[in-house]
Amino acid sequence: NAGVMQNPRHLVRRRGQEARLRCSPMKGHSHVYWYRQLPEEGLKFMVYLQKENIIDESGMPKERFSAEFPKEGPSILRIQQVVRGDSAAYFCASSPLTRTGPPSFGPGTRLTVT
Amino acid sequence: DAKTTQPTSMDCAEGRAANLPCNHSTISGNEYVYWYRQIHSQGPQYIIHGLKNNETNEMASLIITEDRKSSTLILPHATLRDTAVYYCIVSNAGNMLTFGGGTRLMVKP
Repeated sequence: NAGVMQNPRHLVRRRGQEARLRCSPMKGHSHVYWYRQLPEEGLKFMVYLQKENIIDESGMPKERFSAEFPKEGPSILRIQQVVRGDSAAYFCASSPLTRTGPPSFGPGTRLTVT
Repeated sequence: DAKTTQPTSMDCAEGRAANLPCNHSTISGNEYVYWYRQIHSQGPQYIIHGLKNNETNEMASLIITEDRKSSTLILPHATLRDTAVYYCIVSNAGNMLTFGGGTRLMVKP
């Protein structure tokens, strides 16, 4: 059973471009969580999604950031018009339908904005 | 979710047991104690979790006090590869996890 997969692992964008980060949850998992880790800081919750629904986006910046988890395919975290402050590691985690198991994390996507 | 308090850093000699404490005095009855670790900016790795009873798996043991206000993660024979930041998190099952600062464990030869 493959773990949580994220791609790309490394992403370089110039200021003003868009960044798309993908997360494929573990097989059978229908809940996805996105976290951001700024350099030398802890992990901060961004958004919690189920298939086709956003459950909690309290940690998501109000502008430029959006997330989706369609019925088919991976969850996408989209950052429009990136700025240098968006440079960070972005991790996603998934948990099963019943949410009884502990979330499993992916390896992360390291975004660098130049 | 209840807040947790952990020491900022700890050292442990290779081959010895590492005992990592965590205080969670405001924990509520249906909240679990989860432990994760992050090795050098990799994705957080699940270690163990428990509700009331002590738990043991192939990685570690979790000791939860009877009043559930604190817990200790025990790595029985620490190796250099156990050097990481260890996070103690209290949360209801299925909720998103809120990470604090964690304990930076340095295992030394």
